[in-house]
Amino acid sequence: GNSVTQMEGPVTLSEEAFLTINCTYTATGYPSLFWYVQYPGEGLQLLLKATKADDKGSNKGFEATYRKETTSFHLEKGSVQVSDSAVYFCALRRNARQLTFGSGTQLTVLP
Amino acid sequence: DTAVSQTPKYLVTQMGNDKSIKCEQNLGHDTMYWYKQDSKKFLKIMFSYNNKELIINETVPNRFSPKSPDKAHLNLHINSLELGDSAVYFCASSQDLLQGDLGYTFGSGTRLTVV
Repeated sequence: GNSVTQMEGPVTLSEEAFLTINCTYTATGYPSLFWYVQYPGEGLQLLLKATKADDKGSNKGFEATYRKETTSFHLEKGSVQVSDSAVYFCALRRNARQLTFGSGTQLTVLP
Repeated sequence: DTAVSQTPKYLVTQMGNDKSIKCEQNLGHDTMYWYKQDSKKFLKIMFSYNNKELIINETVPNRFSPKSPDKAHLNLHINSLELGDSAVYFCASSQDLLQGDLGYTFGSGTRLTVV
């Protein structure tokens, strides 16, 4: 079946540090890949996506590249801010309907 | 505003009670979902409806019953609430994949606490 594995959190960084959150997936064929962000007390928001191999999704300074050869979709940001503190979810969508989520990674950015 | 809206935002109730959570989307999406998020933030799909038809029904106690009166609404009714039902429940919607994969739009969640 389809599955998503994310690096375990929590992750704590200082402001302006470089961020990487690892995500690997298992799926048949070519799923679409997503990163969602959940700020405290809120629902999930789509951060970025990529729908085919070698595509790069980007938004708000975050980037992730769809790597078919390593089945990965790692999230990166060059310089994090306190306002980036949230839970980040990697997800894939293989069939017509259902998103499969990773377990989430809590990020805390300290001033 | 275009959105997925859930009510109530918070729900505190006693064990054994029956409660409902409502969800509405005005995005014109074809498919709606209910997810449960536990205390460790893990998200698990419960149900999915496409144009009022149930298409995903994961292993969920039959105390949980979804109802979709039309494609813009997907409500969740829970009978005989148990302590383990305490969680945050998220409604979401998505457009048909033929229109391109835009992912889901989520509601802001309903925090259910069973005491």
